[in-house]
Amino acid sequence: AQKITQTQPGMFVQEKEAVTLDCTYDTSDPSYGLFWYKQPSSGEMIFLIYQGSYDQQNATEGRYSLNFQKARKSANLVISASQLGDSAMYFCAMGNTGFQKLVFGTGTRLLVSP
Amino acid sequence: GAVVSQHPSWVICKSGTSVKIECRSLDFQATTMFWYRQFPKQSLMLMATSNEGSKATYEQGVEKDKFLINHASLTLSTLTVTSAHPEDSSFYICSARPDGTSGTFLEQYFGPGTRLTVT
Repeated sequence: AQKITQTQPGMFVQEKEAVTLDCTYDTSDPSYGLFWYKQPSSGEMIFLIYQGSYDQQNATEGRYSLNFQKARKSANLVISASQLGDSAMYFCAMGNTGFQKLVFGTGTRLLVSP
Repeated sequence: GAVVSQHPSWVICKSGTSVKIECRSLDFQATTMFWYRQFPKQSLMLMATSNEGSKATYEQGVEKDKFLINHASLTLSTLTVTSAHPEDSSFYICSARPDGTSGTFLEQYFGPGTRLTVT
């Protein structure tokens, strides 16, 4: 069975600073995908970044980067230069072979202060 | 970009009644859609996989007779909560995967969610 663990229920960061949101995973599938989503208070799920299990390089999308450490089974999200609009819930998720289903972690609430 | 809509965005219904939630892919076709449920301050839990032209696949513990899913076309899936009770109050989110996507990264696009309150 697949499992995603996010151990940080909440994180605080000051504007313009970088923040790392932790995510560890467990799976027996050799092929999988790791995703990060942002959920603002309005509720919609916003896709941020994706990392495939066979990707050699860490994924980056603008201010978002994914620190993928396969041996440790971790896929931490790094947000550089935090902005007030980054305040939201952040979910790490995993897709199995074929990525038919996504399993989500419990989320981390990020608050960015001025 | 790909857009998924849900209707209604929020609904209040009385205990014992049924409520239908629609999920539409606006600018792409989706043979496969997914329904998730999210309780307050909790994570998203997959309820079922909706497949156009065939029966939905429900996750373990989800009552298929209570949560009826109909994927009538390549752009529309509906979730009907039958005989709703207060414990069914939740945030229901759908997602859709565009047909024709290839490669290992199979994107899902999420709808904005529907907040259901059963009184």
